[in-house]
Amino acid sequence: GAVVSQHPSRVICKSGTSVKIECRSLDFQATTMFWYRQFPKQSLMLMATSNEGSKATYEQGVEKDKFLINHASLTLSTLTVTSAHPEDSSFYICSAQPGAGNSPLHFGNGTRLTVT
Amino acid sequence: GQNIDQPTEMTATEGAIVQINCTYQTSGFNGLFWYQQHAGEAPTFLSYNVLDGLEEKGRFSSFLSRSKGYSYLLLKELQMKDSASYLCAVHNRGGNMLTFGGGTRLMVKP
Repeated sequence: GAVVSQHPSRVICKSGTSVKIECRSLDFQATTMFWYRQFPKQSLMLMATSNEGSKATYEQGVEKDKFLINHASLTLSTLTVTSAHPEDSSFYICSAQPGAGNSPLHFGNGTRLTVT
Repeated sequence: GQNIDQPTEMTATEGAIVQINCTYQTSGFNGLFWYQQHAGEAPTFLSYNVLDGLEEKGRFSSFLSRSKGYSYLLLKELQMKDSASYLCAVHNRGGNMLTFGGGTRLMVKP
């Protein structure tokens, strides 16, 4: 089945540094990928839609200058958390949809970010 | 806007049946997904309903009523490993993104 690979699975960084998270579709091409964030005991909140070859679309309240998204190829999207702060500590999950229409989203395994 | 509601927590006994409800209000409804998520892991796909009715897949079944804005996930012969969060997610026309409900944390007890 379709596989989405996300790396790293865990990262601890110091406040003020930047962290890059990669999301790859391993056996299909994805013109669109989605980045979600999940705080403890809460549901997934869509942060942004990553579009190959064009600018990402950010949800209301998500700072585009803080969460930089690059979708340079049909199989790779990256999310960079710039100048991270402790309140950015969260579980970040990417997803992509192989095929069109009603095929389910497939999720990466997520990245647990801890900012100290 | 969208509004998706599901119970926050449920408890059930091993071997029993449990029904997790999800109600939604949205425009441009295309379908509804159910995902299972164990703590600290990514969600995994369970089911997708587009038309009204019941879809059965092994121990799990999902039901949809578009006119009522209502879905449920039915889990039979509960096992301890079914303890997880269950997320319903609305799929809207015009895009591939999903909007998730708050999730239902299910605890299965012996």
